Amino acid sequence: DGGITQSPKYLFRKEGQNVTLSCEQNLNHDAMYWYRQDPGQGLRLIYYSQIVNDFQKGDIAEGYSVSREKKESFPLTVTSAQKNPTAFYLCASKNWSPNYGYTFGSGTRLTVV
Amino acid sequence: DAKTTQPPSMDCAEGRAANLPCNHSTISGNEYVYWYRQIHSQGPQYIIHGLKNNETNEMASLIITEDRKSSTLILPHATLRDTAVYYCIVRVDFQGAQKLVFGQGTRLTINP
Repeated sequence: DGGITQSPKYLFRKEGQNVTLSCEQNLNHDAMYWYRQDPGQGLRLIYYSQIVNDFQKGDIAEGYSVSREKKESFPLTVTSAQKNPTAFYLCASKNWSPNYGYTFGSGTRLTVV
Repeated sequence: DAKTTQPPSMDCAEGRAANLPCNHSTISGNEYVYWYRQIHSQGPQYIIHGLKNNETNEMASLIITEDRKSSTLILPHATLRDTAVYYCIVRVDFQGAQKLVFGQGTRLTINP
């Protein structure tokens, strides 16, 4: 079955460490997105990529970095520069047709200890 | 810069229709309205989307007013599994791309 996979589901990080969250899709979607969700809040856009080797900052990109070397993969690195990294991170993808919605992964919950 | 306004919470009896309102008075002519729902600690699940015509699928119906300034999501026969946070979202053009701008959503509770 086609879908979007995020791993790991839970991640713990020590302060000052970088950590990379994985996002893989086999839907042949061109566009991919990273969102952050804090408790009781809606989702906020971190980064997005419309095609391979291209990505753009979203609303809250500071302290994060991404790469898009393959169509299927869009990893997110949370760097030590991110002051409040503890959150629920969601990856999404979409094709170009207006007839379909965005597909979300099941999320990674990152906790800084 | 969310472009939608929803009530923070709603209740509905099991088996009844759940009608979730959304205001998007600043929506532009080419911006779609999307509805997603999220059960605790899971990824958002796509429900339905539309531009200006009413839409129906196996999950729900979407009614968009003629002026496109508001819409209503209808779950025709709500079940306990429909308890979730429902997000009404406008897809906006952003630096040549398109993105979903999430608001706070409506926490829908289906009561037995």
